Amino acid sequence: DTGVSQDPRHKITKRGQNVTFRCDPISEHNRLYWYRQTLGQGPEFLTYFQNEAQLEKSRLLSDRFSAERPKGSFSTLEIQRTEQGDSAMYLCASSLGSRDSGNTIYFGEGSWLTVV
Amino acid sequence: RKEVEQDPGPFNVPEGATVAFNCTYSNSASQSFFWYRQDCRKEPKLLMSVYSSGNEDGRFTAQLNRASQYISLLIRDSKLSDSATYLCVVNSWDSNYQLIWGAGTKLIIKP
Repeated sequence: DTGVSQDPRHKITKRGQNVTFRCDPISEHNRLYWYRQTLGQGPEFLTYFQNEAQLEKSRLLSDRFSAERPKGSFSTLEIQRTEQGDSAMYLCASSLGSRDSGNTIYFGEGSWLTVV
Repeated sequence: RKEVEQDPGPFNVPEGATVAFNCTYSNSASQSFFWYRQDCRKEPKLLMSVYSSGNEDGRFTAQLNRASQYISLLIRDSKLSDSATYLCVVNSWDSNYQLIWGAGTKLIIKP
């Protein structure tokens, strides 16, 4: 399978613990995105990378959230001191990021986080 | 006002019927438009891009109305497997490729 892959698919954690999600994008894609989605809502943008550079970060993202893409390939999203409100599906996506492609993005299957 | 708005539904439609969704967007500089489909507890998957002249893919037709700033999705001869949430997505170069998502319209096809 050469699509976007995410790990773990499901995570249950106690409030206050740290969690980390990993995303492996489609290999030729230079753009990588993280979104968060809760029930009944569309995906909410968190941050995105062009290669290894983090170019944009949502103002909604608190300082407990940090993302990295050290070599311009896989990315990690870490949430520190988790809160119950962090419970959501965390989606990673990637794209070619060119005008010609219209920036069509492809999603991974998501990582479900439940904070108890 | 949300940047991208959709009727949340649900739309309950008998199998074989035709159903249409609209989606309005507020940024007149928007340049790329997409419809994604999302099944329950799954990731969104691209259904089709929306082109200025309108485009069709089998039973699905997408149209863009720039003057009124809305896009539409028409599903003909609906199937049970069309039951899903349909998400409208808009992109403008001035948002640096950031995609703006609607909250989705839930469609339920009944036998």
